[in-house]
Amino acid sequence: GAGVSQSPSNKVTEKGKDVELRCDPISGHTALYWYRQRLGQGLEFLIYFQGNSAPDKSGLPSDRFSAERTGESVSTLTIQRTQQEDSAVYLCASSLARQGAVNQPQHFGDGTRLSIL
Amino acid sequence: KNEVEQSPQNLTAQEGEFITINCSYSVGISALHWLQQHPGGGIVSLFMLSSGKKKHGRLIATINIQEKHSSLHITASHPRDSAVYICAVRRFGNEKLTFGTGTRLTIIP
Repeated sequence: GAGVSQSPSNKVTEKGKDVELRCDPISGHTALYWYRQRLGQGLEFLIYFQGNSAPDKSGLPSDRFSAERTGESVSTLTIQRTQQEDSAVYLCASSLARQGAVNQPQHFGDGTRLSIL
Repeated sequence: KNEVEQSPQNLTAQEGEFITINCSYSVGISALHWLQQHPGGGIVSLFMLSSGKKKHGRLIATINIQEKHSSLHITASHPRDSAVYICAVRRFGNEKLTFGTGTRLTIIP
């Protein structure tokens, strides 16, 4: 497809399990972003990739959260030992932005709705 | 105090009314984004501004860099415009976006 694709669209898991969320950005987009939106709250930045490197991971809430990107394409966000407060919609976005270059719009996926029981 | 403040938080209007949503920010920015989030959760980028004014169909976005303020206007509003509108800013030298808490707009037929 032409847009940002995220999978799964919904994930329900038990507290303490590990989860892996996937993002397929728009082809050719060098920048990739992960955001989180808790129920009734605004969007929070988690991590930003430029190519396969993550120059800004300041938004990751704890060391249980990690992310990687390979081939300047697919990214996975992993949450270990999930807690109930991790329940949220996790959104991925991509853009043509390069560091120091002109601003580019971000294109968002539909998100993964994560529910921790 | 949040770096990005939106007002109002909720807005209900009749179809056809002119709508204004405001966004104020407290940091130096390289760009401001207006996003639309529909009830299903999908987010669409409406505008990206660094100065002046942009128009797309019935939507108009303006920004005043000196006053650190932006407005999103919707002319001839329609029930399909019902959504949450989110303002987000990109700080100088920083790639990430900082988001406002959103304005929930409901247009009544």
